[in-house]
Amino acid sequence: AQSVTQLDSQVPVFEEAPVELRCNYSSSVSVYLFWYVQYPNQGLQLLLKYLSGSTLVKGINGFEAEFNKSQTSFHLRKPSVHISDTAEYFCAVTTIRSNDYKLSFGAGTTVTVRA
Amino acid sequence: SQTIHQWPATLVQPVGSPLSLECTVEGTSNPNLYWYRQAAGRGLQLLFYSVGIGQISSEVPQNLSASRPQDRQFILSSKKLLLSDSGFYLCAWSVFRGRGTGELFFGEGSRLTVL
Repeated sequence: AQSVTQLDSQVPVFEEAPVELRCNYSSSVSVYLFWYVQYPNQGLQLLLKYLSGSTLVKGINGFEAEFNKSQTSFHLRKPSVHISDTAEYFCAVTTIRSNDYKLSFGAGTTVTVRA
Repeated sequence: SQTIHQWPATLVQPVGSPLSLECTVEGTSNPNLYWYRQAAGRGLQLLFYSVGIGQISSEVPQNLSASRPQDRQFILSSKKLLLSDSGFYLCAWSVFRGRGTGELFFGEGSRLTVL
């Protein structure tokens, strides 16, 4: 079975500063990887996904993530954050052979952007 | 385009009362359907998933149940709520295996408070 570990539960950051959210995964087979964002009292919205090919994936709102197979990591980055980026971020993984696409989610990282 | 609707958005129920949360998907056929729960300050826990009408898989033992009476309708129920059932419930769908990439599309969530 696959699993995800988000290494930071809370990340405070100043506006216009860069941010990196760390995600490690564990799986014995090939995987698809995702980052989702959740604003307060809302559902989850997909930021970006890694399926295959280039290890650098660009998503919405200026976010990008890099897949590192040897390190089993999928860290999320943004070079300059805005107040509106304050939210909870979830890393998720599913196996490519999965019939049911059950995503395994990390515990989440709360990003708080301050002026 | 595909949309997912989930209701009610907010629910306050006494302990021991029944529960029914409903989710419908539009604009696609034969989706995989999921119910997740998010307790305060915690990650997402998969409760149930379904790959077809009448096919329900339970991930955790609890006093909740799920049903899929129609292709694009997913219902979460309980006969008697417990305090521990409080949380944010999220319905999600994905494209059926072979036609998708495992990405989940989430509803806006239903916040349940059991008093």
